[in-house]
Amino acid sequence: DVKVTQSSRYLVKRTGEKVFLECVQDMDHENMFWYRQDPGLGLRLIYFSYDVKMKEKGDIPEGYSVSREKKERFSLILESASTNQTSMYLCASNSATGRNEQFFGPGTRLTVL
Amino acid sequence: GESVGLHLPTLSVQEGDNSIINCAYSNSASDYFIWYKQESGKGPQFIIDIRSNMDKRQGQRVTVLLNKTVKHLSLQIAATQPGDSAVYFCADGSSNTGKLIFGQGTTLQVKP
Repeated sequence: DVKVTQSSRYLVKRTGEKVFLECVQDMDHENMFWYRQDPGLGLRLIYFSYDVKMKEKGDIPEGYSVSREKKERFSLILESASTNQTSMYLCASNSATGRNEQFFGPGTRLTVL
Repeated sequence: GESVGLHLPTLSVQEGDNSIINCAYSNSASDYFIWYKQESGKGPQFIIDIRSNMDKRQGQRVTVLLNKTVKHLSLQIAATQPGDSAVYFCADGSSNTGKLIFGQGTTLQVKP
């Protein structure tokens, strides 16, 4: 059974803290994605990666950075968390060949106080 | 910019009825379309997909229709059940990039 896991389901941080969100997939997928999900706005792409050490900005990269040192792991970093980054964060992955279906993790609900 | 939108934020149906959820997309270059279901507290889960060389695809109790002329996508759920209550997202993308653009979601409420 294919799986995308995220390090935390719930996270509470304070303004200004550095926050790491981890995502691991076991499907040997080349592509990995980070989204944030907010009511009424759907899923918005923050960053994605086509390969190890490769990254590209999505639609809303400001305030975020990413790291992909290993194929199976894609990390989202909030350098200095702000209250407007309170959101649900979803990680996904898919194969570079064949179907485009993205497989999602369960999400991390981040609250920044 | 490019976006995918759903026509209704909420759809309420009676248990046993058929549900139709609609979606419009704007990118003419999109060649892959997909529907996801998201239950409360979970990540989106795949329901069904369709490529641009098809106009209809059926799964178990679900059918996706694609009208490329008007850039319209719909999801039909037959004999809707309480377990179908969730938020449904459409998304479109290019098979070249693997990226998807998501709509805002439609909440399906099934009344017993």
